[in-house]
Amino acid sequence: AQSVTQPDARVTVSEGASLQLRCKYSSSVTPYLFWYVQYPRQGLQLLLKYYSGDPVVQGVNGFEAEFSKSNSSFHLRKASVHWSDSAVYFCAVSYTGNYKYVFGAGTRLKVIA
Amino acid sequence: DPKIIQKPKYLVAVTGSEKILICEQYLGHNAMYWYRQSAKKPLEFMFSYSYQKLMDNQTASSRFQPQSSKKNHLDLQITALKPDDSATYFCASSQTNQDTQYFGPGTRLLVL
Repeated sequence: AQSVTQPDARVTVSEGASLQLRCKYSSSVTPYLFWYVQYPRQGLQLLLKYYSGDPVVQGVNGFEAEFSKSNSSFHLRKASVHWSDSAVYFCAVSYTGNYKYVFGAGTRLKVIA
Repeated sequence: DPKIIQKPKYLVAVTGSEKILICEQYLGHNAMYWYRQSAKKPLEFMFSYSYQKLMDNQTASSRFQPQSSKKNHLDLQITALKPDDSATYFCASSQTNQDTQYFGPGTRLLVL
């Protein structure tokens, strides 16, 4: 069965520092990959997605992610975080012909001054 | 303006009662979905509809019944509510069932 692992339940970083949130998937085929963000008391917002091509994809608000087939990973990065980036970040996958998303457990990001 | 509307935002229900969660999307999408987010589990896929037809049902219990009265509506009826049903229920939609999904703000359900 396909699964998504976000190994870090909580991450705390200082404002202005760089960020990496980790995501690994488990499947024999390369899925479609997504990162969503959930701000407090709000729904999920799409940050970026990867279907194919350049393994580094750019998203909104300065976020980017890098796909690695050899590592089955899709890590999210940001060069300099802002306090407003504090939120829960979800990695998700889907597969051709199977449109349901499988989500990771999420990583709660706290940005401190 | 919100493109995916979920009503109500918060819902408190008693065990054994029945509730309907409303979802309307104004994105012109043809596929709609329900997901559940509880304290104990990550976001879980429940149902998907495409052109108002059920495509996939990953919910074991028949107490959960989606209802699509219009192309841009996918409501979720939950009967015989249990405390374990307490969760936030998210509606999502996509252009087709192969495309990126966009999520509504959720309905937070508490069953006492």
